Amino acid sequence: AQSVTQPDIHITVSEGASLELRCNYSYGATPYLFWYVQSPGQGLQLLLKYFSGDTLVQGIKGFEAEFKRSQSSFNLRKPSVHWSDAAEYFCAVDLNTGNQFYFGTGTSLTVIP
Amino acid sequence: GAVVSQHPSRVICKSGTSVKIECRSLDFQATTMFWYRQFPKQSLMLMATSNEGSKATYEQGVEKDKFLINHASLTLSTLTVTSAHPEDSSFYICSANTRGAGGETQYFGPGTRLLVL
Repeated sequence: AQSVTQPDIHITVSEGASLELRCNYSYGATPYLFWYVQSPGQGLQLLLKYFSGDTLVQGIKGFEAEFKRSQSSFNLRKPSVHWSDAAEYFCAVDLNTGNQFYFGTGTSLTVIP
Repeated sequence: GAVVSQHPSRVICKSGTSVKIECRSLDFQATTMFWYRQFPKQSLMLMATSNEGSKATYEQGVEKDKFLINHASLTLSTLTVTSAHPEDSSFYICSANTRGAGGETQYFGPGTRLLVL
C-alpha cells in the first residue's frame, strides 16, 4: 500500500539553527510531492511542491526540499529557523490517479529562543 | 496563489442538528474539490472527493448519508453534517485543485472547527 512517512513526530530547534524534516514515501512511481505548513487552528499553506525537473525545489519562507529518488525521500530544509516557523509540517503525495492526496502524520516544530 | 475560503470558520451546534459548511474557490474554477477531516494532533484524512455536477466519491468508512456533499458549481462545494453527534466534532478542511504549468496543485481552505454539544 502507498504510504507517506514522517519519522519525526516532534522536533525542537534553537532559533537560528538549521532544520531538516524528513519525509519518505512508498510508491512504485514518482508521485507529485508537497510540503504544507499548518499553524495552530489554521488551514494548510503550501510551502513547495515537486512535479518533475530539478530535484532541489525552492519554496516560500526560505524553505527548500530535495527529492531523492533512490531514497524515496523528499526532506524539507531551512538554513536558519525563525521563531515564527513553529508549526505543524505535513508532507503529502499526489499519486496522480485522481488527484488524491495522502498525508504524512506531520512533524510538530518547536523553536526555542 | 489560489485562494480557497470556508464558511463558517467555527460552529457550535446541539446534538441532532445538521450543519452546513461551504467551500469556495475565490479566484479560480475547480472541477474537483476535496473534503478532509483532522482530529487533534493528527494528520488530515480524506473524506470524499467532490466533482462538479456529479456525485461525490467517498473514502472507505465515511458515511455518505451522514456527510452530504454537494458540488453545485465550479466554485462551490458544501459539506452537510447531518444529525451531528459529539463524535463528529472535528476540524474540517476543504481543498480545490487548480491546474498550472507545473501540473495540478491543491489549495486548502482555512478549515472549519465543528463542536457538537
